[in-house]
Amino acid sequence: EVQLAESGGDLVQPGGSLRLSCAASGFTFSSHAMSWVRQAPGKGLEWVSGISGSGGVAYYADSVKGRFTISRDNSKNTLFLQMNSLRAEDTAVYYCAHHSEVVPRNSYLDYWGHGTLVTVSS
Amino acid sequence: AIQWTQSPSSLSASVGDRVIVTCRASQGIITAVAWYQQKPGKAPKLLIYDASTLENGVPSRFSGSGSGTDFTLTISSLQPEDFATYYCQQFNNPPFTFGGGTKVEIK
Repeated sequence: EVQLAESGGDLVQPGGSLRLSCAASGFTFSSHAMSWVRQAPGKGLEWVSGISGSGGVAYYADSVKGRFTISRDNSKNTLFLQMNSLRAEDTAVYYCAHHSEVVPRNSYLDYWGHGTLVTVSS
Repeated sequence: AIQWTQSPSSLSASVGDRVIVTCRASQGIITAVAWYQQKPGKAPKLLIYDASTLENGVPSRFSGSGSGTDFTLTISSLQPEDFATYYCQQFNNPPFTFGGGTKVEIK
């Protein structure tokens, strides 16, 4: 059974940094691309970033490019999102999601974690 | 980035009604489209991928169609458990944008 468990969400001041983690189990981690998707309170879904199974290819939403970095440790079955220069508009529940294929492009999100809340406020 | 126009943003319907949600993309994306259902406080759930393929375990009253720029999610006979918010998403070109969502409420 595929399981995804996010952690690392917290209250952080504007301009601060945070690192989210997603522990994966129940599948061959390196064989699947992974993505982060966020949802601000009362708002819709926003795709944030995705990474290939090898970690060699990564994509970002324009809203986070240059501030967020996605990475993965395939030896530990863990996905990360390093978030720097945080802004109030980054406040959201962040979901980790499993792609159906090894590359993000043309592969859908078939499993999701429960999410971790990031609040950016002074 | 590819932009979506998802409509309606909300609708009220009764159990047994046929419900149609549409998504229009700002450029052609072949059939690299998925539909998700989200209930309050829960993670999204995949319903349909590749525009028209039903995910395992999803009831057959859900169906998807379309290609190019115009896509449709249809619920043939709305059930009580279908009251939720529905999102389209494209996977053809990064960033893999979502539509704005359609909230299906009880009439």
